[in-house]
Amino acid sequence: DVKVTQSSRYLVKRTGEKVFLECVQDMDHENMFWYRQDPGLGLRLIYFSYDVKMKEKGDIPEGYSVSREKKERFSLILESASTNQTSMYLCASRTGTSSYNEQFFGPGTRLTVL
Amino acid sequence: AQRVTQPEKLLSVFKGAPVELKCNYSYSGSPELFWYVQYSRQRLQLLLRHISRESIKGFTADLNKGETSFHLKKPFAQEEDSAMYYCALSAPNYQLIWGAGTKLIIKP
Repeated sequence: DVKVTQSSRYLVKRTGEKVFLECVQDMDHENMFWYRQDPGLGLRLIYFSYDVKMKEKGDIPEGYSVSREKKERFSLILESASTNQTSMYLCASRTGTSSYNEQFFGPGTRLTVL
Repeated sequence: AQRVTQPEKLLSVFKGAPVELKCNYSYSGSPELFWYVQYSRQRLQLLLRHISRESIKGFTADLNKGETSFHLKKPFAQEEDSAMYYCALSAPNYQLIWGAGTKLIIKP
């Protein structure tokens, strides 16, 4: 059973703080993703990684960075949090490069930036 | 440009009634389409993909290339079908393009 875990379910931070969101998967998946989920906007891809130390920008990378030092872990970093980054953040993983393969999601982190 | 449109933000139907969640796409090639579902307090998960031609939990979805649609259907809605449903299209860079989602509420 694939398990994708995220470090926090709820997080409250102040404007300007550096924020780390951690994601870990236990199925040796090559691909990992970070999304924002906002009502009326669906899921928007922030960054993805198809291998260790590899990263690609998604649709909305501004204000974010990522790190993938180990295959099982993919971190999302908000360098200086702003109120417009208040959102639900979803991490996902997938085996292989085919988009036909299912993406497995974590439970999400609801981030509030005050 | 590739795009997925789910025209209904909210769909409310009575238990036992038929359900159709609409999804339209824009894509120049041969599309690969998916439906993902998120039940309350659960994680987002794959419901079905068009290439499998499968029926999951009574739901089916047929790809209509002429109408560029991939509507999700179920003949008799059940209360446990209440959830958020997302249609997604595979993009040339192997990522998914997501619709905005439709919240389905099944009334008892």
